[in-house]
Amino acid sequence: EPEVTQTPSHQVTQMGQEVILRCVPISNHLYFYWYRQILGQKVEFLVSFYNNEISEKSEIFDDQFSVERPDGSNFTLKIRSTKLEDSAMYFCASSRTGTEQFFGPGTRLTVL
Amino acid sequence: AQSVTQLDSQVPVFEEAPVELRCNYSSSVSVYLFWYVQYPNQGLQLLLKYLSGSTLVKGINGFEAEFNKSQTSFHLRKPSVHISDTAEYFCAVSDLDGNKLVFGAGTILRVKS
Repeated sequence: EPEVTQTPSHQVTQMGQEVILRCVPISNHLYFYWYRQILGQKVEFLVSFYNNEISEKSEIFDDQFSVERPDGSNFTLKIRSTKLEDSAMYFCASSRTGTEQFFGPGTRLTVL
Repeated sequence: AQSVTQLDSQVPVFEEAPVELRCNYSSSVSVYLFWYVQYPNQGLQLLLKYLSGSTLVKGINGFEAEFNKSQTSFHLRKPSVHISDTAEYFCAVSDLDGNKLVFGAGTILRVKS
């Protein structure tokens, strides 16, 4: 069964550094999403992406965040200058129709 | 805007007993409803969904949920739980445009032998 994959599984970085989190959505899916889950808190929506542009973003998704679909298979989340409070599990999700979303296993980002 | 309330942060239950995990939502528009399960150190797996039609929906692993529009609820049930059902369960809603999921805080189901 096809699934969403994410790399790396764990990323450790220093405050102020840039990180790129990578996702490979399910191949025939057209809608892509990023969510994050800070330890002990709710899963929070960051951004949705359709037809090569952002369709919705949350208040969290400020200028330090960006998303890209650099080729036909990858979907990336870039954090330009990481802060301690960016430490979280980041989940990528994809959907064929925009209704049910399928999640990847997540990337745990630790900012020191 | 939508919001989701999961009324129980933890539910302990003995193996083979029935369980109900409660979820209430708030929305000014029609919604789709979902339950996801997260096993330790894993991602979110879709358990079941309500999009339209019959209000009783069946999912994987013997779980079912009932959509009650008047009570704005979508409670998850299983008639007999197993140790392997120990996990965190998240209720989520989206509007019909499907741009984002809004999650509840999660309910940890602990199944004891």
